Amino acid sequence: EVQLVESGGGLVQPGGSLRLSCAASGFTFSSYWMHWVRQAPGKGLVWVSRINSDGSSTSYADSVKGRFTISRDNAKNTLYLQMNSLRAEDMAVYYCTRDLGPRGYSGYDYWGQGTLVTVSS
Amino acid sequence: QTVVTQEPSFSVSPGGTATLTCGLSSGSVSSNHYPSWYQQTPGQAPRTLIYRTNTRSSGVPDRFSGSILGNKAALTITGAQADDESDYYCVLYMGSGILVFGGGTKLTVL
Repeated sequence: EVQLVESGGGLVQPGGSLRLSCAASGFTFSSYWMHWVRQAPGKGLVWVSRINSDGSSTSYADSVKGRFTISRDNAKNTLYLQMNSLRAEDMAVYYCTRDLGPRGYSGYDYWGQGTLVTVSS
Repeated sequence: QTVVTQEPSFSVSPGGTATLTCGLSSGSVSSNHYPSWYQQTPGQAPRTLIYRTNTRSSGVPDRFSGSILGNKAALTITGAQADDESDYYCVLYMGSGILVFGGGTKLTVL
């Protein structure tokens, strides 16, 4: 059974940092593009970032570029999102998702349950 | 910056057909945008309905279908049921590694 389990969310002050993790199981993690998608309270889904299967290619939404870094450890079957210089508008539930296709834009077939990041002083 | 547009809300009668759309503030949506559709109920993670324009995800009933209608991607729900009442999101590939979600459509079945 495919599982994606996010962790690392919590309360952080504006300007602070946090690292999210997504533990994957039930599939060959190293074969899939992975993404982070977020959802602010009461708002819609927003694509954040993606990474290819071996970690050599990444892309980011303009709103997080230069502040967030996506990475993965295929030996540990884990996806990461390092978030620096956090702002109030980064407060959201962060979901990790698995891409369906070989090029990183086919859509998602599995979602984690999400981890909540709260940015507040 | 191009915005992905969706109807903020849509109402359908039980047993009726709802066609939700996903467009661009500038230009037309095509299959090259690889549109996909997701259903979300409050407090839950999204569920994948349709990917690559018109392929149903595993376990999704054939009441849900995807297509390109005119210059937009479309999600059609036939025989609407009470438990179809949810938020629906599309996402498009914009090129250069960038994906953009639409703002979502709140579907009401009444």
